[in-house]
Amino acid sequence: EDQVTQSPEALRLQEGESSSLNCSYTVSGLRGLFWYRQDPGKGPEFLFTLYSAGEEKEKERLKATLTKKESFLHITAPKPEDSATYLCAVPLWGYNKLIFGAGTRLAVHP
Amino acid sequence: ETGVTQTPRHLVMGMTNKKSLKCEQHLGHNAMYWYKQSAKKPLELMFVYNFKEQTENNSVPSRFSPECPNSSHLFLHLHTLQPEDSALYLCASSQETSGGYEQFFGPGTRLTVL
Repeated sequence: EDQVTQSPEALRLQEGESSSLNCSYTVSGLRGLFWYRQDPGKGPEFLFTLYSAGEEKEKERLKATLTKKESFLHITAPKPEDSATYLCAVPLWGYNKLIFGAGTRLAVHP
Repeated sequence: ETGVTQTPRHLVMGMTNKKSLKCEQHLGHNAMYWYKQSAKKPLELMFVYNFKEQTENNSVPSRFSPECPNSSHLFLHLHTLQPEDSALYLCASSQETSGGYEQFFGPGTRLTVL
């Protein structure tokens, strides 16, 4: 069964305390993996697309990496404004029908 | 306006009302989507339109009726909803539906059914 699993469900960090979020997937023929950030009551904001194992993308304090079975979102020296829910999603083979994980709720405290 | 816009942002309706949600994308995309986001659940795909043609109906009850008059506009018509339909309804667009294209989301409509 095609599915996406994110862990941990929730993560609390102190400002400056680096960590990683995990997204594991079981879909045949990966056509990309997407990371989004979602603030409460708002729509998801696109962050990254990764297409092949070994690929990495960076944006400010965030770096996304991809292997054949999972992706990591590394957060380096986070700030309180990085607090949000981070979602990952993969399209089913041949379609842009995205399967989303349940997300990781990140809280960064000063 | 830029990106994907949705109106209204908040909607409260009774179970016997009829209302419509509107989405407009300003990105020149050809595919548009409706998603439902309930508390503690992953986003659920409801409908997909590619070049104005519906290509996916993810077993959505008939009390939700989508309409896509052109590639830039998408509507979701609501009638005789149930309280469990209360959720954040999100619209998204992408270049097309053939896979691997990023989807860009609107801000959502927070729907409350009394």
